[in-house]
Amino acid sequence: AQSVAQPEDQVNVAEGNPLTVKCTYSVSGNPYLFWYVQYPNRGLQFLLKYITGDNLVKGSYGFEAEFNKSQTSFHLKKPSALVSDSALYFCAVRDRGRDDKIIFGKGTRLHILP
Amino acid sequence: DGGITQSPKYLFRKEGQNVTLSCEQNLNHDAMYWYRQDPGQGLRLIYYSQIVNDFQKGDIAEGYSVSREKKESFPLTVTSAQKNPTAFYLCASSIGTGITGELFFGEGSRLTVL
Repeated sequence: AQSVAQPEDQVNVAEGNPLTVKCTYSVSGNPYLFWYVQYPNRGLQFLLKYITGDNLVKGSYGFEAEFNKSQTSFHLKKPSALVSDSALYFCAVRDRGRDDKIIFGKGTRLHILP
Repeated sequence: DGGITQSPKYLFRKEGQNVTLSCEQNLNHDAMYWYRQDPGQGLRLIYYSQIVNDFQKGDIAEGYSVSREKKESFPLTVTSAQKNPTAFYLCASSIGTGITGELFFGEGSRLTVL
């Protein structure tokens, strides 16, 4: 069965430092992988996705993510954190070989400390 | 501007009442989804629809019903059979099925049962 794990409920980073939000996945075939961000009482906003090709994917607001097939990971990164990056981040996976269901992780709350 | 509109944003319901949450999109997307979000549990799929007049149950469909009479609209009814309906409900759409499209989300509807 397909699944997504975000091992950290919360990540704290000082402003200006690099940040990483972790995500690992399990699918039967090749995955499509996504990151979304959610601000309080709002819907989710798409950040970036991995479909195929280059393992390093660049997205909105300076975020990037690295697909690692051997480790089944898709960690979200940013070289220099901003206070405005504080939000709830979700990793999601879609299994290419299955139906159209998209599975979300439980989310990681990112706190950027001024 | 294209997007997804959910209404109402906040809704209060007495126990035993059915309520319907509206979701309308003008993105010309084929697929639409309803998710439920509870603190610390991520997003759980309630129902999804890939084409008009067709929909499938997600992981937590019990106590909910949907219809898809028009491409633009995918209303969700929370029935009195839903044991714990207080939650944040998110509607989403994507371009199609089995391809690489990301989800576009509405701003959500927060339902509170009194």
